[in-house]
Amino acid sequence: AQSVTQLDSQVPVFEEAPVELRCNYSSSVSVYLFWYVQYPNQGLQLLLKYLSGSTLVKGINGFEAEFNKSQTSFHLRKPSVHISDTAEYFCAVSDRDFGNEKLTFGTGTRLTIIP
Amino acid sequence: SAVISQKPSRDICQRGTSLTIQCQVDSQVTMMFWYRQQPGQSLTLIATANQGSEATYESGFVIDKFPISRPNLTFSTLTVSNMSPEDSSIYLCTCAGADTQYFGPGTRLTVL
Repeated sequence: AQSVTQLDSQVPVFEEAPVELRCNYSSSVSVYLFWYVQYPNQGLQLLLKYLSGSTLVKGINGFEAEFNKSQTSFHLRKPSVHISDTAEYFCAVSDRDFGNEKLTFGTGTRLTIIP
Repeated sequence: SAVISQKPSRDICQRGTSLTIQCQVDSQVTMMFWYRQQPGQSLTLIATANQGSEATYESGFVIDKFPISRPNLTFSTLTVSNMSPEDSSIYLCTCAGADTQYFGPGTRLTVL
């Protein structure tokens, strides 16, 4: 069984400041890792994913995440946030055998950008 | 990419009734999924729906409570049967792309 922990339920950040949203996972098998974003009143959309290769993954809107196998983490970062980054962010993991099926999600982190 | 629409976007229902949620995809897809997001909790997979076969339910979910139809490659329905207040959630439909899942906007259900 897999699980995902997002320790921070809410993160307030001043505009143009850096941000890190934390994600840790547990799994007995090799995994794929995802970050999804949900803007107000919209569906979830993929921000970035780690499938294999370089552990530093770049996504849309200037976000990046680093896969750390030894620490079982996949933290999301952005060097300078904008008001439009206000959203709910979900970390998710899937078993490599199932690819992008059977996603296990964290509880989400609500990022609020303060002008 | 795929664009998914859901109907209704929200509803308020009485205990003991049933609600059917519709999910429409703008392209043909093999695999569709239904998730539930209870207040303050993460998304939980209810079932996988493939066209032409019975849906596969995850542990804790049963067909009698959440019957699913998948009549073609662009459409699926989820029924929440004999509802109780514990069924109040956001229900999300998704479909599998090459290496990601595409999400619908969700149906916000409140059961009184």
